[in-house]
Amino acid sequence: EDKVVQSPLSLVVHEGDTVTLNCSYEVTNFRSLLWYKQEKKAPTFLFMLTSSGIEKKSGRLSSILDKKELSSILNITATQTGDSAIYLCAVTGGTSYGKLTFGQGTILTVHP
Amino acid sequence: NAGVTQTPKFQVLKTGQSMTLQCAQDMNHNSMYWYRQDPGMGLRLIYYSASEGTTDKGEVPNGYNVSRLNKREFSLRLESAAPSQTSVYFCASSEKREISEAFFGQGTRLTVV
Repeated sequence: EDKVVQSPLSLVVHEGDTVTLNCSYEVTNFRSLLWYKQEKKAPTFLFMLTSSGIEKKSGRLSSILDKKELSSILNITATQTGDSAIYLCAVTGGTSYGKLTFGQGTILTVHP
Repeated sequence: NAGVTQTPKFQVLKTGQSMTLQCAQDMNHNSMYWYRQDPGMGLRLIYYSASEGTTDKGEVPNGYNVSRLNKREFSLRLESAAPSQTSVYFCASSEKREISEAFFGQGTRLTVV
């Protein structure tokens, strides 16, 4: 059974801090690892990491995939209150195209 | 620019009542999914449909049924609602290819009393 574990489960920081969120996984025939940001409603896509693309960056957010350690980190630098959200990590693998297995999520709270 | 549309947005049911959650996508995606989200548990897959005409159980299918009506629509039915089914339900869709991100609807907050 595929498994994804995120840590920490919650994190409280102040504006300007840098945070690192962790995601570890066990999946048969790994295909991709995805990061989503969820504010009040639907999760919105941030990054997808694969064997051919193990590092992604967008503005203050960046993510790295470590296939040897079966893990990924999501870094957010110079945090802002608008970064407050649940960050979800998911993996795809096996024979079911596109089926995502999610971790529990990390609740990030950024105080002014 | 609708993407994935779910209805209703909110629903309160009494134990034992039935209801159907509707989902439609306009991105011509082959694959569609139903997830539930509970505090501290992330999103758990209830059922998915890899393509029109096929459905498969996910991690937590008990108490639910699904119908892939056509390529656009994928509905989730609770035949006899239970308080344990109080949750936020998300529909999602993706391309049926080896690597693809999923796009989510806005969610349905269901309370069973």
